[in-house]
Amino acid sequence: GDSVTQMEGPVTLSEEAFLTINCTYTATGYPSLFWYVQYPGEGLQLLLKATKADDKGSNKGFEATYRKETTSFHLEKGSVQVSDSAVYFCAFSIIQGAQKLVFGQGTRLTINP
Amino acid sequence: GAVVSQHPSWVICKSGTSVKIECRSLDFQATTMFWYRQFPKQSLMLMATSNEGSKATYEQGVEKDKFLINHASLTLSTLTVTSAHPEDSSFYICSATGGGANVLTFGAGSRLTVL
Repeated sequence: GDSVTQMEGPVTLSEEAFLTINCTYTATGYPSLFWYVQYPGEGLQLLLKATKADDKGSNKGFEATYRKETTSFHLEKGSVQVSDSAVYFCAFSIIQGAQKLVFGQGTRLTINP
Repeated sequence: GAVVSQHPSWVICKSGTSVKIECRSLDFQATTMFWYRQFPKQSLMLMATSNEGSKATYEQGVEKDKFLINHASLTLSTLTVTSAHPEDSSFYICSATGGGANVLTFGAGSRLTVL
């Protein structure tokens, strides 16, 4: 069935380190792919998205490329900051524009100064 | 920007009692709201989709008589966990979309602990 597998956390890095959070998906059809972020005490917020193969989503220094051949959507950032500490969720939706999402389990990221 | 508020943010109740969780869209009209459940270290699982003024659509395996969802207005949806048991302890999250914008806004979640 449809599912998302994320890198298991927690992930702890030092400030300015390079970040990769792996995400692979299993889906029928051609999904749209998303990364959501949840800061402490807040709701999930859309971080970036990609709607077709080879698209690159980017926001706040984060990037992820839709790789259809490897069914992956890995999240990367070249230099993380303490303020990036949060839980990151990979997700997809099958129907274009639909809001029905399938989520990964989330990866908790902690950045130390 | 769009804001969704959930209340309460955490609740503890005794086994056998019912608990109501509210999800409000504060600055937009939410034609559709979604309810998710998240167990520790697991994915958010979609429980149901509710459209204002109509019955909720439940995902497979979710007991509609156990998890009552009401979406009586364009700014409020409620999830009532009836006759709660310890296995219902979880983190419940709502999201909402509407106002013509294809944007999904999440609440901060409600943690339920059933003793």
